[in-house]
Formats: sequence, C-alpha cells, structure tokens
Amino acid sequence: QLQLQESGPGLVKPSETLSLTCTVSGGSISSRTYYWGWIRQPPGKGLEWIGSIYYSGNTYYNPSLKSRVTISVDTSKNQFSLKLSSVTVADTAVYYCARHAFASGILLWFDPWGQGTLVTVSS
Amino acid sequence: QSVLTQPPSVSGAPGQRVTISCTGSSSNIGAGYDVHWYQQLPGTAPKFLIYANSNRPSGVPDRFSGSKSGTSASLAITGLQAEDEADYYCQSYDSSLSGVVFGGGTKLTVL
Repeated sequence: QLQLQESGPGLVKPSETLSLTCTVSGGSISSRTYYWGWIRQPPGKGLEWIGSIYYSGNTYYNPSLKSRVTISVDTSKNQFSLKLSSVTVADTAVYYCARHAFASGILLWFDPWGQGTLVTVSS
Repeated sequence: QSVLTQPPSVSGAPGQRVTISCTGSSSNIGAGYDVHWYQQLPGTAPKFLIYANSNRPSGVPDRFSGSKSGTSASLAITGLQAEDEADYYCQSYDSSLSGVVFGGGTKLTVL
C-alpha cells in the first residue's frame, strides 16, 4: 500500500532554512487525482497545514507561511520537498507529509500520512 | 486561534456515546465545503477517520459517524472504548484563505 516517509535534519539553527523531503513508495506521485501536502504540529499543539503540490508543480500554500515556504516535486525520484526559510523557535514541530485528495479544484482530505519527523529550531 | 473551533476536551465512560463539535463560518463549512475528521493516538501520526462529512474509509468501525449542518459539523462515537482515547481534529477548506484549515483538536478521555 502507499507509504510516505519524511527525511531531513532534526536540528536547524534560527534564521536558517529548514529542508525536508518526503519519499512516496507503493504508488506514483504523478497521480492525476492527488496533491501532496505538508502539515506540521508544534509540541503539545494542533495541526497546521503548510502547503500542497501537484505532480505538475502547481502549489497551494498557507497564507500565513507563504512568504517563507517553497514546496517542490521530483517525479523521477517519487519525492516532494519542503523548504521553510528564516526559521525561529516557533517553527519547532513534528512535520508530516501526506497524500492530499482533491476534486473540482478543492483541496480535500489527507490520507495516508507519514510517521512525521521532529524538527527542532535551536542554536 | 484556529479557523475551526472544537471543544478542548470531552469525556465519557466505556460504552457511552460522545460527540465532538466543529464550528466554522460562512467561508468554510457554511459555504458548503466538506468536513473531514482525523484521530491521533498518543505519539502517532493522525489517522483518517471520516471524509466528506459522513463517510467512513475502509476499516473504520461504524461506531464512528459524522454529520454536518449549517456552519458546524459533529463527530459521534458510540460504544466508547478505552482505545478511542485520543485527540480528534476536524478539517475543511476555506475560500477566504484559499486553503486548508484545521480545528484546534479535542482530547477525548475515556473514564
């Protein structure tokens, strides 16, 4: 079945750029019926959508993070990636990647999810 | 401050029925956008629970059900079990933000 796995540094210094990659296995990232999304969860807090990307490269971003976020896709590697610039301690969170259903131009549910990776912003 | 409002916590005894509300506005739930629900067990990734207001993915017990009316949605859990103790999140689409919004999450305690 489809599986997603996040990877990347677990520690990032303030003001630097957080970079994560999500590897998709058991299915193609070039599916025409799904986007691929990033969601984060600060310790002890709720879920926050970061953004989502289509295999063609079309993206949707959370307006509150848009100025600092870049999501890209590499169909040859079946991967998509997240870059978050100018990080602060407030960006410390578990970062999840997930397949993102969509229809009629509307972003729908996330399923399945990766296991998540904790990224700590600290000097 | 989440765009979708959920109660921080609910509780119930084994075998009982509990409901979790998710209140939005005219730019999300009230605009007709579907609501989806997730269950997050301690220390794990969220699990897809309900889609498009009231539909259960394969493998989700029929003890879980969802509904939507006006600017709100609800998740109901009947026959409460200890294993249901988790955080529950609602999610929808918001036209003002042109993106996805989550509720703040509700912690379910099985007494």
